[in-house]
Amino acid sequence: AQKVTQAQTEISVVEKEDVTLDCVYETRDTTYYLFWYKQPPSGELVFLIRRNSFDEQNEISGRYSWNFQKSTSSFNFTITASQVVDSAVYFCALRRYGGATNKLIFGTGTLLAVQP
Amino acid sequence: EPEVTQTPSHQVTQMGQEVILRCVPISNHLYFYWYRQILGQKVEFLVSFYNNEISEKSEIFDDQFSVERPDGSNFTLKIRSTKLEDSAMYFCASGRQGQETQYFGPGTRLLVL
Repeated sequence: AQKVTQAQTEISVVEKEDVTLDCVYETRDTTYYLFWYKQPPSGELVFLIRRNSFDEQNEISGRYSWNFQKSTSSFNFTITASQVVDSAVYFCALRRYGGATNKLIFGTGTLLAVQP
Repeated sequence: EPEVTQTPSHQVTQMGQEVILRCVPISNHLYFYWYRQILGQKVEFLVSFYNNEISEKSEIFDDQFSVERPDGSNFTLKIRSTKLEDSAMYFCASGRQGQETQYFGPGTRLLVL
């Protein structure tokens, strides 16, 4: 069975602090995809990143960085120097690689509140 | 940049009524999806659609639900007889290929009274 766990329900930080959102996943597959999506207060789901399981290189995009560790089944997301506009719910998601299914399995999300 | 669009943004309906939620996927995408999110909960997969047929559906997607691609641009989700528990945000998503990233629309917030 596939499962995504985001143990942090809510995080509150003050602007300019760094914050890390945790994501732990379970899968029996040897290859898979991992994703992060952002859901701002307006409600839409915004794609942030996709990572293939066979590529463990960490990625940085501006203030965002992702740490993929296959050994601990984690795909954590760090925002450096947080801003009020980063306030949103962040979802981690898992999808099988190949096969008959393309469905995304989402975690329960982490609500990030960045205070000015 | 191309986007997935959804209409309406909000819909209020009475229990037992039929609703149709509409989506226009990104134009060169071939795979289409519906997900839903009950208020405050996680996003759940409903159905995927490829080559004019359902390729996968979840347990939530029972006989009350149906999907259709009536023309070359629209992708619809129909709920035949709405229940109170169908109240949720419904997201449409599309992907160029099955293994590609799924891009989501802004959602339709459905409220069943």
